[in-house]
Amino acid sequence: DAKTTQPPSMDCAEGRAANLPCNHSTISGNEYVYWYRQIHSQGPQYIIHGLKNNETNEMASLIITEDRKSSTLILPHATLRDTAVYYCIAYSGNTPLVFGKGTRLSVIA
Amino acid sequence: DTAVSQTPKYLVTQMGNDKSIKCEQNLGHDTMYWYKQDSKKFLKIMFSYNNKELIINETVPNRFSPKSPDKAHLNLHINSLELGDSAVYFCASSRQIGGGMLETQYFGPGTRLLVL
Repeated sequence: DAKTTQPPSMDCAEGRAANLPCNHSTISGNEYVYWYRQIHSQGPQYIIHGLKNNETNEMASLIITEDRKSSTLILPHATLRDTAVYYCIAYSGNTPLVFGKGTRLSVIA
Repeated sequence: DTAVSQTPKYLVTQMGNDKSIKCEQNLGHDTMYWYKQDSKKFLKIMFSYNNKELIINETVPNRFSPKSPDKAHLNLHINSLELGDSAVYFCASSRQIGGGMLETQYFGPGTRLLVL
């Protein structure tokens, strides 16, 4: 699975949109962009995934660039409970997930 | 109603002891995994079982032995515990991995192991 690059940390004001970037310039055609998050002391939680098109669910939106080399996870109205480490993973489904260092998002009141 | 559950949540033990961590999933999934998260917070795959058969075994010491009595359970037994085994161990499950199918993995709450 392709390697991804994320900023180590970000801050976001409560109630504002949190935009978490991810670079995956070596992503291959059969790899999806997956996002998980890990709230302190809990197991990783699935958020969203996509291949080419933008995706939205009840938790977040995923914007993937046309060349698929980067993507952005958007939490539209961040709350304090969204403080977590967010992992962007390029995933083909043929092997277990490979987690990088992720982005530590701090939502500030 | 927990989808993936682990017991115990906390485990404190002495070096040299043998201990087991249990994992159960009620999602009807075929594939189960063990991940280790060390003090630097890196999450790494250790093992993966598909329908009770071992399919992935990363470079893990022989002291770690997974056992899958049925496809809903994957237990992790650790012999002769060492200080470096202290970590958080996460169990996960998904529908069948590979075969061209893309299946989301669901994680348990973790077991915090401290070896003294």
